[in-house]
Amino acid sequence: QSALTQPPSASGSPGQSVTISCTGTSSDVGAYNYVSWYQQNPGKAPKLMIYEVNKRPSGVPDRFSGSKSGNTASLTVSGLQAEDEADYYCNSYVGNYNWVFGGGTKLTVL
Amino acid sequence: EVQLVESGGGLVKPGGSLRLSCAASGFTFSSYYMIWVRQAPGKGLEWVSWISGSGSYVYQADSVKGRFTISRDNAKNSMYLQINSLRAEDTAVFYCARGSYYTFDIWGQGTTVTVSS
Repeated sequence: QSALTQPPSASGSPGQSVTISCTGTSSDVGAYNYVSWYQQNPGKAPKLMIYEVNKRPSGVPDRFSGSKSGNTASLTVSGLQAEDEADYYCNSYVGNYNWVFGGGTKLTVL
Repeated sequence: EVQLVESGGGLVKPGGSLRLSCAASGFTFSSYYMIWVRQAPGKGLEWVSWISGSGSYVYQADSVKGRFTISRDNAKNSMYLQINSLRAEDTAVFYCARGSYYTFDIWGQGTTVTVSS
């Protein structure tokens, strides 16, 4: 199972919106509405930000939103804040209790 | 407080073995499936293995089949990863995480495995 494709980097100024894409295939992202997004700060564990494409766990700001179209999922961060600077990883269920992650995107707040 | 704490990492020579542990607290451990994820230095996350709540069912990524074995002891609220025939490319931080439906909602802080002669 190949890793999902994410852009290596993304950036935006405080207050702006930025969208990170996550491209898979009809066997993973396109097949299931089980795409999650994780935020990881340097030296820290990943943190769940979005699950089932567009659902937010309790405590995650509503500035974070997710969507999916075909084989591509997206994470949008609106009203960028300095604290949003981190690495972001998408993840998709691929069947038979297997999952695949994206390569990660480093989000920089300018 | 819901918490996962990994342990067991360390420096090991190529060909060696390690047993990683993940201790859970603050939730009914047996009600959740669990997974291991690894992250090589400077690289992304890689899903490694999955185990059902009862421990009866397991799956591994193709990249580790035959060398990694996942298990759990629900009486001890603990999960394990036995890693054999270690290679340099297994050097990574290993995270355990709790599964909820088809996502991973609670993560441990990670334990570092370094394979070097």
